[in-house]
Amino acid sequence: GDSVTQMEGPVTLSEEAFLTINCTYTATGYPSLFWYVQYPGEGLQLLLKATKADDKGSNKGFEATYRKETTSFHLEKGSVQVSDSAVYFCALSVSTGNQFYFGTGTSLTVIP
Amino acid sequence: DGGITQSPKYLFRKEGQNVTLSCEQNLNHDAMYWYRQDPGQGLRLIYYSQIVNDFQKGDIAEGYSVSREKKESFPLTVTSAQKNPTAFYLCASSMRGQNSPLHFGNGTRLTVT
Repeated sequence: GDSVTQMEGPVTLSEEAFLTINCTYTATGYPSLFWYVQYPGEGLQLLLKATKADDKGSNKGFEATYRKETTSFHLEKGSVQVSDSAVYFCALSVSTGNQFYFGTGTSLTVIP
Repeated sequence: DGGITQSPKYLFRKEGQNVTLSCEQNLNHDAMYWYRQDPGQGLRLIYYSQIVNDFQKGDIAEGYSVSREKKESFPLTVTSAQKNPTAFYLCASSMRGQNSPLHFGNGTRLTVT
């Protein structure tokens, strides 16, 4: 079935370090892919999305490219800030029944 | 501003009591969803609805019930049959179509003792 696997955390980085959070997926057909961010005690916010192969989603310095050949959608940021500390979720949606599938989340802590 | 409102933010109940969590959206979205979030387990789908007066069970529907009498509202009832109800509950909505992302409320933290 459809599923998302993302890198387990927690991840701890120093400010201005490079960030990669790996995400791979399994899906029948051609899913849309998303990254969400969750700050403590809040709901999830859409960070970026890509709807077809080779699309690059970007927002607030974060980027992810939809790679069909490797079924991946890795999240990257060149220089993280303390304010980026949060939990990041990779997700996919498929056309059948408007269903969404989430990874288990990766906790990121950025230290000054 | 459009968005999803969940209330209350914190809810405390005694074991054996039913409790209803509110979710209202003014985004004019057709689809609405309820997720449960436990530490280290990501999000699990409880129920979803794609249209008024229709809803489907998700992966963990046992012990929960929902209604969708209005497009804007999708309340979730946690019944006494739910064996482990203490969790963070998230409501979400989306437009139809797989390219449309989910929009989330800020969640309700339910504690049952």
